[in-house]
Amino acid sequence: QKEVEQNSGPLSVPEGAIASLNCTYSDRGSQSFFWYRQYSGKSPELIMFIYSNGDKEDGRFTAQLNKASQYVSLLIRDSQPSDSATYLCAVNRFDGGFQKLVFGTGTRLLVSP
Amino acid sequence: EADIYQTPRYLVIGTGKKITLECSQTMGHDKMYWYQQDPGMELHLIHYSYGVNSTEKGDLSSESTVSRIRTEHFPLTLESARPSHTSQYLCASIGQGASKNIQYFGAGTRLSVL
Repeated sequence: QKEVEQNSGPLSVPEGAIASLNCTYSDRGSQSFFWYRQYSGKSPELIMFIYSNGDKEDGRFTAQLNKASQYVSLLIRDSQPSDSATYLCAVNRFDGGFQKLVFGTGTRLLVSP
Repeated sequence: EADIYQTPRYLVIGTGKKITLECSQTMGHDKMYWYQQDPGMELHLIHYSYGVNSTEKGDLSSESTVSRIRTEHFPLTLESARPSHTSQYLCASIGQGASKNIQYFGAGTRLSVL
């Protein structure tokens, strides 16, 4: 089992709809969770991050954590064609005292006009 | 946000050449990382550094080497490039203070070895 798992997609939604992206993680002790957006051929760009103490909303984006079920979700309201990208979920891990991010394989989102 | 600079952005080179991919950050971050990513595939951590004179191999075995002589500079070197090294290489660093858990990426170097 991978530490961070995501459905590769593509997830197709019409413009204006809510896109819901999920990822599951295996380390119950994880404290920090991140969502990155990556356009094709570009580097990942941080969208949202949350800590284990609660959900977070920023504009059209909401990140939610379900600790009991060990999954993190990203909701994108009023989806736009420009939101079409791969969304990477990442979880903070301390490996021998060194901080690393463990990334999922990403979910490809397609927003159709 | 952190300012992380990678050069070159694109590199096409012949087999057997020695290459160095540059990565610099201006924020004084101690922790820096190199990832390798093939098109449409996941990120793989290949090297990381705690700080000056500290380097470690990542989760994916790589023939590349890194050095950290200055805090702001974390170059990656391939002694003899091969077509199997064709990939995108991404450099990242983690912030401090209020941004201490947040990892920022450079724009990447897309390497093609012919």
